Amino acid sequence: EPEVTQTPSHQVTQMGQEVILRCVPISNHLYFYWYRQILGQKVEFLVSFYNNEISEKSEIFDDQFSVERPDGSNFTLKIRSTKLEDSAMYFCASNGGSYNSPLHFGNGTRLTVT
Amino acid sequence: AQSVTQPDIHITVSEGASLELRCNYSYGATPYLFWYVQSPGQGLQLLLKYFSGDTLVQGIKGFEAEFKRSQSSFNLRKPSVHWSDAAEYFCAVGAAGGGNKLTFGTGTQLKVEL
Repeated sequence: EPEVTQTPSHQVTQMGQEVILRCVPISNHLYFYWYRQILGQKVEFLVSFYNNEISEKSEIFDDQFSVERPDGSNFTLKIRSTKLEDSAMYFCASNGGSYNSPLHFGNGTRLTVT
Repeated sequence: AQSVTQPDIHITVSEGASLELRCNYSYGATPYLFWYVQSPGQGLQLLLKYFSGDTLVQGIKGFEAEFKRSQSSFNLRKPSVHWSDAAEYFCAVGAAGGGNKLTFGTGTQLKVEL
């Protein structure tokens, strides 16, 4: 069964540094998402992406965050200047175009900001 | 705004016993409801989903869930729990459309005693 893949599985960075989290969604999917889960808290929506533009974003997704689909397969989340509170598990997800297409999640990237 | 409540943070059951995990939602229209499972270090795996039709839905790994509109609930059940079911379970509610954004509950951590 096709999967959403994320790299790296774990990233450690210093406060103020830029990080790029990478995802390869399922190949025939049309919608792409980033969610995050701060340790011990619920999974939160960050952003959705469709047709090469952001379709929706949450309050969390401020100017420090950006997403890009640089080619036909990758979907990236960039954090320009990381803060301690950005430490979390970041999940990429994708789904197809039909109304009842469920989200398929990757295994996540654990980001630790020191 | 949509929301999901999972009242039980931790549940412990004996292997072979039945299981019910509670989920209540708040949503302005007909909800699309999901249960996901997260094993340690893993991503979110879809167990089952409800979009319409039969209110009792079957999922993978022997799980089922029942949608009760009058109670705004979507409880997850399994008749006989296996030790490998130990994981965190998340209920989520989504909007219609292929770009559906999910709102997750805080999760229920399931421990299985042998």
